[in-house]
Amino acid sequence: QVQLQESGPGLVKPSETLSLTCTVSGGSVGSGNYFWSWIRQPPGKGLEWIGYIFYNASSNFNPSLKSRVTISVDTSKNQFSLMLTSVAAADTAVYYCARGRFGSNYFDPWGQGTLVTVST
Amino acid sequence: SFVLTQPPSVSVAPGKTARITCGGNNIGSKSVHWYQQRPGQAPVVVVYDDSDRPSGIPERFSGSNSGNTATLTISRVEAGDEADYYCQVCDSRSDHYVFGTGTKVTVL
Repeated sequence: QVQLQESGPGLVKPSETLSLTCTVSGGSVGSGNYFWSWIRQPPGKGLEWIGYIFYNASSNFNPSLKSRVTISVDTSKNQFSLMLTSVAAADTAVYYCARGRFGSNYFDPWGQGTLVTVST
Repeated sequence: SFVLTQPPSVSVAPGKTARITCGGNNIGSKSVHWYQQRPGQAPVVVVYDDSDRPSGIPERFSGSNSGNTATLTISRVEAGDEADYYCQVCDSRSDHYVFGTGTKVTVL
C-alpha cells in the first residue's frame, strides 16, 4: 500500500526557510487520480491545510500562507517538497504530508509527521 | 474562508454512543470527511463522503450530513476510541481545504 515519509531539519532559525521532503512508496506521484498535500499541526492545536500540488505542478495554497509557501514535485524521485520562507515561532508544528483523492477530496494516507521547531 | 466548528470535548461511557458535530454554513451541500487522531499519531480517515467507511474501519463509526451540521457517530464506544476527531471539507469555490476545530473524545 502507499506510504509517505517526511524528512528534513527539525530545527530552523527565525527568518530562515523551512524545507521538507515527502517520499512516496508503493504508489506514484505521477498518478492523475491524486494530489499531494502538506498539512501542519502546532503543538496542542488543530490541523491546518498548507497546500497541494498535482503531478503536472499545478498547485493551490492556504491564503494565510500563500505568500510564503512553495510546493514542488519531482516525479523522477517520487517525491514532493515544501518550502516555507521567513519562518517565525508560530510556524513551529508537526508537518504532515498526505495524499488527496480527487473527487472525494479527503486525505489518505498520511505520513507519520515531522516536528519542526523554529528557534535560535 | 469556510469555518467548521466542533465542540472541544465529548465524554462517553464505554458501550454508549458518542456523537460529534461539525457545524458550517450549509455544510449539507458539501462532502464531509472525518479523521481520528490518537495521541502522537497521524490522523486516519474513519468516514469519507459524509457516511462512507474505508476498509478496516469498524461499522461502529457512521456519519451523516444535513443542513448546517454534520455528525460523526461512534456506537458501542470502546476505550480505544479515545482520540481527537476532526471534520474536513473542500470549499469548492476556492478549492481550499478546511479542517474543523477538533473534538477530544474521552471514554469514562
